[in-house]
Amino acid sequence: DAGVIQSPRHEVTEMGQEVTLRCKPISGHDYLFWYRQTMMRGLELLIYFNNNVPIDDSGMPEDRFSAKMPNASFSTLKIQPSEPRDSAVYFCASSLGQGGGQETQYFGPGTRLLVL
Amino acid sequence: SQKIEQNSEALNIQEGKTATLTCNYTNYSPAYLQWYRQDPGRGPVFLLLIRENEKEKRKERLKVTFDTTLKQSLFHITASQPADSATYLCALGHSSNTGKLIFGQGTTLQVKP
Repeated sequence: DAGVIQSPRHEVTEMGQEVTLRCKPISGHDYLFWYRQTMMRGLELLIYFNNNVPIDDSGMPEDRFSAKMPNASFSTLKIQPSEPRDSAVYFCASSLGQGGGQETQYFGPGTRLLVL
Repeated sequence: SQKIEQNSEALNIQEGKTATLTCNYTNYSPAYLQWYRQDPGRGPVFLLLIRENEKEKRKERLKVTFDTTLKQSLFHITASQPADSATYLCALGHSSNTGKLIFGQGTTLQVKP
């Protein structure tokens, strides 16, 4: 299994531009999570999906952020317009489900975003 | 509000010694707790899960304890090696079967040869 795949690995953009981050979860996993990690705030959950349906988006910082999961094998996190304070590492993770050890989350390598 | 505290200062120990990392939490009743390892430039990797009705869990050189009265988990690495140097994150899961985890800030462990 290739694990969770994220693209791009690095993104440098200018303030005001649209940024789209992509994630392919592990096949068969029902949950998909988007996190943001910074030195100041650590690892923060932005939004998560269960069976392609958004369950909790309370961590999404503001309306500039949006996430979609059109099918079980693909999700996007979009920032429009981007701002310098959005600079961070964005992780996607997936898990099988609940109970019996299925709560383990498998993380992708992350996308390092720098907004100038 | 919910709060998870891990030692913010790096933990430096000598090879062969036991490393002990602490995770404290407040205003939360987790159903389970997980520990992850994160190396620089990489995503967190799952190590161990312990449930609220379990006191201790072991896996090779790793041991985790969970005290719901003290609201604390301890993570031990015995016979530590330089390869154990990394940042270790604790994460709390709720009982509502949401799959949602809340992560601590992590503690960086440096094992010196």
